[in-house]
Amino acid sequence: DVKVTQSSRYLVKRTGEKVFLECVQDMDHENMFWYRQDPGLGLRLIYFSYDVKMKEKGDIPEGYSVSREKKERFSLILESASTNQTSMYLCASSFRQGATVNYGYTFGSGTRLTVV
Amino acid sequence: RKEVEQDPGPFNVPEGATVAFNCTYSNSASQSFFWYRQDCRKEPKLLMSVYSSGNEDGRFTAQLNRASQYISLLIRDSKLSDSATYLCVVSNFNKFYFGSGTKLNVKP
Repeated sequence: DVKVTQSSRYLVKRTGEKVFLECVQDMDHENMFWYRQDPGLGLRLIYFSYDVKMKEKGDIPEGYSVSREKKERFSLILESASTNQTSMYLCASSFRQGATVNYGYTFGSGTRLTVV
Repeated sequence: RKEVEQDPGPFNVPEGATVAFNCTYSNSASQSFFWYRQDCRKEPKLLMSVYSSGNEDGRFTAQLNRASQYISLLIRDSKLSDSATYLCVVSNFNKFYFGSGTKLNVKP
């Protein structure tokens, strides 16, 4: 059974703090993703990675960075947390999509971050 | 224009009803299609993939219409436990696009 583990379920941080959100998957997935989910806005892609040391900006990368030093771990970094980054953060992973095979995402259970 | 559009609902239906959700996507080159289910304050979970020929899993039937660029999900004999938000997902070259979800409330 595929497992994607996020380090914290709930987190409260102060404005200006540097915040690290960790995500680890145990199924040798090539692809990893970070989303945030807000009421009325749905899931929005922050960053993604198709391979170790590779990263690509998603739709809303401003204020975030990522690190993928190992295949199983994808970290999201808030360089200087702000109140508008209060959100649910979801990590996901998948196999690289094939030409004829559909692979869905598996999500972690999410980190609800509050910036005060 | 959004990549994936869904009616947000909510759909309020009695137990035992049949309910259908549709979603449309904008990129005709999209390759893979999925329905996810998300319970309140939980992560989305894969419900089913959607294939061109249509596919069924118990009470759930998914259809894809590439010509019209829409995907549907039919739930027969609704149960209370089907209450959740259903997300339509479309992927293109390893990148997934999510609809904002359709909320279903099944009432006793």
